[in-house]
Amino acid sequence: EAGVTQFPSHSVIEKGQTVTLRCDPISGHDNLYWYRRVMGKEIKFLLHFVKESKQDESGMPNNRFLAERTGGTYSTLKVQPAELEDSGVYFCASSQERGRSVTQYFGPGTRLTVL
Amino acid sequence: GDSVTQMEGPVTLSEEAFLTINCTYTATGYPSLFWYVQYPGEGLQLLLKATKADDKGSNKGFEATYRKETTSFHLEKGSVQVSDSAVYFCALSGASGGSYIPTFGRGTSLIVHP
Repeated sequence: EAGVTQFPSHSVIEKGQTVTLRCDPISGHDNLYWYRRVMGKEIKFLLHFVKESKQDESGMPNNRFLAERTGGTYSTLKVQPAELEDSGVYFCASSQERGRSVTQYFGPGTRLTVL
Repeated sequence: GDSVTQMEGPVTLSEEAFLTINCTYTATGYPSLFWYVQYPGEGLQLLLKATKADDKGSNKGFEATYRKETTSFHLEKGSVQVSDSAVYFCALSGASGGSYIPTFGRGTSLIVHP
């Protein structure tokens, strides 16, 4: 069974440009999460989808970030326009269920560098 | 709010040395506690977890015991290998308001030399 995949693995863009990150969860996982880790700091929650619906987007930093999950399968996270402080590693995770002890399965992350 | 504090790295050890990575947490209620590991070029993988006080999680020779009295979940391994070189993240969930979204620490990089 394929794990969570993310594309691209690396992206280098200039300030003001747009970038779209993609996440393909494990097949059959209704729950999909986005996280971000700024260099050397904690992994921070961004948002959570249940199928195609946003369950919790309390971690989204501002309206330059837009996440979608059309059809409840893969998800995209668009940053427009990108700023320097958006640099970091963006992780996607998925799970079949949700709960305090449910295991989330993470992708390898997309390293975003904004110059 | 909830938080997790890990010892800063990198931790550099020789093969077969004993490993301890400290993790303490601040949370209301009774969270579940986790250790995740990220090997180079890969995503985070759950290493072990404990869901209640005094539980011990174990996997691949690693162990951690949920200590409510000291609010700690220290990761230990008796004899590390070069292949254990990775970044280790301590996390909690299910504390405030029953949230299922994990709160992570900053990660501790482990480097094991032959």
